[in-house]
Amino acid sequence: EAGVVQSPRYKIIEKKQPVAFWCNPISGHNTLYWYRQNLGQGPELLIRYENEEAVDDSQLPKDRFSAERLKGVDSTLKIQPAELGDSAVYLCASTPREGGTEAFFGQGTRLTVV
Amino acid sequence: QKEVEQDPGPLSVPEGAIVSLNCTYSNSAFQYFMWYRQYSRKGPELLMYTYSSGNKEDGRFTAQVDKSSKYISLFIRDSQPSDSATYLCAMARTTSGTYKYIFGTGTRLKVLA
Repeated sequence: EAGVVQSPRYKIIEKKQPVAFWCNPISGHNTLYWYRQNLGQGPELLIRYENEEAVDDSQLPKDRFSAERLKGVDSTLKIQPAELGDSAVYLCASTPREGGTEAFFGQGTRLTVV
Repeated sequence: QKEVEQDPGPLSVPEGAIVSLNCTYSNSAFQYFMWYRQYSRKGPELLMYTYSSGNKEDGRFTAQVDKSSKYISLFIRDSQPSDSATYLCAMARTTSGTYKYIFGTGTRLKVLA
């Protein structure tokens, strides 16, 4: 069984440019999470989806961040415009059901904003 | 005060040592307690999760939860160089009928051959 797939693995952009990350969760997993992990810190939740519905986006900086999960499968996370402080690893995770404790993470996208 | 506190380390031990990793928390509403292992440039990988106070063992790993003290531990027996990684504790509580997960900062562990 394939795990959570994220792309790209690495991205370097200049500040004020847009950037997008893509996530394909494990097949059949209805719950999808986007986390941001700064260096030396634990992951912090940005947004959680149940199928195609964003059920917790309270931590998403909505002035520049947006996300979508069309058809309740793949998801994209976008930043526009990017700022220097957005440099971090963006992790996608999925669980088989709402509230499931066994979250499976992708390898993440390492974003560097210069 | 952070909801979850974890010593960032680094922690260096010789091969074969028993490793003890710990987290404290302040919110008694946490119900699930998890440990993740994260290798460099990889995503976190779930090692263990527990629901109640007490011990849970899986091979060389033992997770311990003490809800009265708001303290959780992960013990690694016969540590191996391949155990060198960052270990993240995570806790989940319900909010508005759904689960909210909070991660610790992670402890970097290095097992020396």
